[in-house]
Amino acid sequence: DVKVTQSSRYLVKRTGEKVFLECVQDMDHENMFWYRQDPGLGLRLIYFSYDVKMKEKGDIPEGYSVSREKKERFSLILESASTNQTSMYLCASSTPWGQDRYSNQPQHFGDGTRLSIL
Amino acid sequence: QQPVQSPQAVILREGEDAVINCSSSKALYSVHWYRQKHGEAPVFLMILLKGGEQKGHEKISASFNEKKQQSSLYLTASQLSYSGTYFCGTEEGAQKLVFGQGTRLTINP
Repeated sequence: DVKVTQSSRYLVKRTGEKVFLECVQDMDHENMFWYRQDPGLGLRLIYFSYDVKMKEKGDIPEGYSVSREKKERFSLILESASTNQTSMYLCASSTPWGQDRYSNQPQHFGDGTRLSIL
Repeated sequence: QQPVQSPQAVILREGEDAVINCSSSKALYSVHWYRQKHGEAPVFLMILLKGGEQKGHEKISASFNEKKQQSSLYLTASQLSYSGTYFCGTEEGAQKLVFGQGTRLTINP
């Protein structure tokens, strides 16, 4: 089974701090994703990476950056945490989709990190 | 743009049926369905591909209507274990999904 591990289940930080959320997957997946989950808004994509050192902005990248130095690890960075970044953060990974749509692959999620910014 | 799920929430008694819809304003090529139990990771259920394909998982099945730009998830004879929040994800460019806001399903004994 695919295992996606997020470093913390719960995290409390202060406004203005630099915050690192870590995610590790054990299935050699090329694609990795960071989502934010808020009530009534579903899962919104922050950033994703399709290879080491490659990244692409998602729908809500403002205030965040990412790092992918190794294939198995994808980090989300809050450069200067603010209270409106209090949320549940979910990491996911997948194998790449093929050239045609008929081979697109499911995403495998971690348990999430509930981050509170005070 | 996020697909729209309906209903937002539904409460059933064990054994009853439910339908969850996922509608997109864009042309659909594929739809992913996931279920998330409280405090747990979302879990993949199935992928529906263009062509009206219908798939099944336990007593859960889904359909894909290309003309309506909609997918529907059918839960038959619901069990307590089906409780959770269901998300649909639609293809948004290569390798990415955009998810709906979720439908919370509560099954009571």
